[in-house]
Amino acid sequence: NAGVTQTPKFRVLKTGQSMTLLCAQDMNHEYMYWYRQDPGMGLRLIHYSVGEGTTAKGEVPDGYNVSRLKKQNFLLGLESAAPSQTSVYFCASSSTSEAFFGQGTRLTVV
Amino acid sequence: AQSVTQLDSQVPVFEEAPVELRCNYSSSVSVYLFWYVQYPNQGLQLLLKYLSGSTLVESINGFEAEFNKSQTSFHLRKPSVHISDTAEYFCAVRGNAGKSTFGDGTTLTVKP
Repeated sequence: NAGVTQTPKFRVLKTGQSMTLLCAQDMNHEYMYWYRQDPGMGLRLIHYSVGEGTTAKGEVPDGYNVSRLKKQNFLLGLESAAPSQTSVYFCASSSTSEAFFGQGTRLTVV
Repeated sequence: AQSVTQLDSQVPVFEEAPVELRCNYSSSVSVYLFWYVQYPNQGLQLLLKYLSGSTLVESINGFEAEFNKSQTSFHLRKPSVHISDTAEYFCAVRGNAGKSTFGDGTTLTVKP
């Protein structure tokens, strides 16, 4: 009964370092999403996927890349981290109705 | 394109008082509407949803929301709040292509 699982939960990066956030869902959902949450700004969509092998840009895609090689996994990559990417990142998945969210990854870039 | 406006960023209220969290949306296509709740250091959880049918939808913990197509609103209400309702609430709209757009959130603080 895992739902949506994000790893890691916390991470501190130095400016210029790279990292990958992993999202895994066990509900056989077609749609998967990456959001970032910043104080007072709600959730902003970074990238999303409508099925295995597909990706699309969301509202704030710059500085991020994604891949969906397997239906159950959606990876978010930061090639060269910047302090502006300090945020809480949420992955979500959905079928045709509501989204199911992971617990979030708190990323700090120093 | 679709957008969501939550009209109040913070709503303080005393315990057992009624509350309304306001949400307006815009979309060029038919939409599904949702309210999510986020407790500190957690992800978002679905509170209630409108997909079709009755315009009044209810949650298991006493919240309700009414879809008003003419006013493009989906306000959330509860007749009597508890301390445990303190959280951040997000209104969301989902249209074509499966994308959901979220409002900026309303922080509900219930005071004893």
